[in-house]
Amino acid sequence: DVKVTQSSRYLVKRTGEKVFLECVQDMDHENMFWYRQDPGLGLRLIYFSYDVKMKEKGDIPEGYSVSREKKERFSLILESASTNQTSMYLCASSPTTSGSYEQYFGPGTRLTVT
Amino acid sequence: AQTVTQSQPEMSVQEAETVTLSCTYDTSENNYYLFWYKQPPSRQMILVIRQEAYKQQNATENRFSVNFQKAAKSFSLKISDSQLGDTAMYFCAFMKLSRSGGGADGLTFGKGTHLIIQP
Repeated sequence: DVKVTQSSRYLVKRTGEKVFLECVQDMDHENMFWYRQDPGLGLRLIYFSYDVKMKEKGDIPEGYSVSREKKERFSLILESASTNQTSMYLCASSPTTSGSYEQYFGPGTRLTVT
Repeated sequence: AQTVTQSQPEMSVQEAETVTLSCTYDTSENNYYLFWYKQPPSRQMILVIRQEAYKQQNATENRFSVNFQKAAKSFSLKISDSQLGDTAMYFCAFMKLSRSGGGADGLTFGKGTHLIIQP
């Protein structure tokens, strides 16, 4: 079974702190994604990566950056956390070669910025 | 840019009934995939069903089937013989095929439909 893990289920940070959200997948997938989920807004794509050290902006990249130094790990960074970044963050991965294009999701991290 | 619209924020049906969730999308792309994902209270997103835009035949997975109308840009999900475990948020999602065909593009989601199955 594909497994996508996220470093924390719940996280509380203060305004202005630098925040790291970590995501690891164990199926050698090339593609990895970060989404945020807010009630009434669905999921929105923040950043994605199709290879090590490669990154692409999604629909809402402002205030975020990412790092992918190893194939299995994709980190989302909030350089200076703000209260409007309080949200659920979901990581996903998908293979390039299978042709199914299914994305496999992690359990999510609920981040609260106070 | 693509948009996905789910017009039903919440639906409630009795166990064993059939329910249809609506989804419409807007795109200028010709090659794309459509998905329905389920998110139960545990928060784990699970793929329910996928549809390739170039296939006219509607996808089915056991009790789940879709009605894909490409010209109308409509992609509804039908759940037959609904069960208590079907209670969840359901998200319709769109993915255009990347130039490389590698599927690296992210998903565009609708806002979701909260489906409640009553005993």
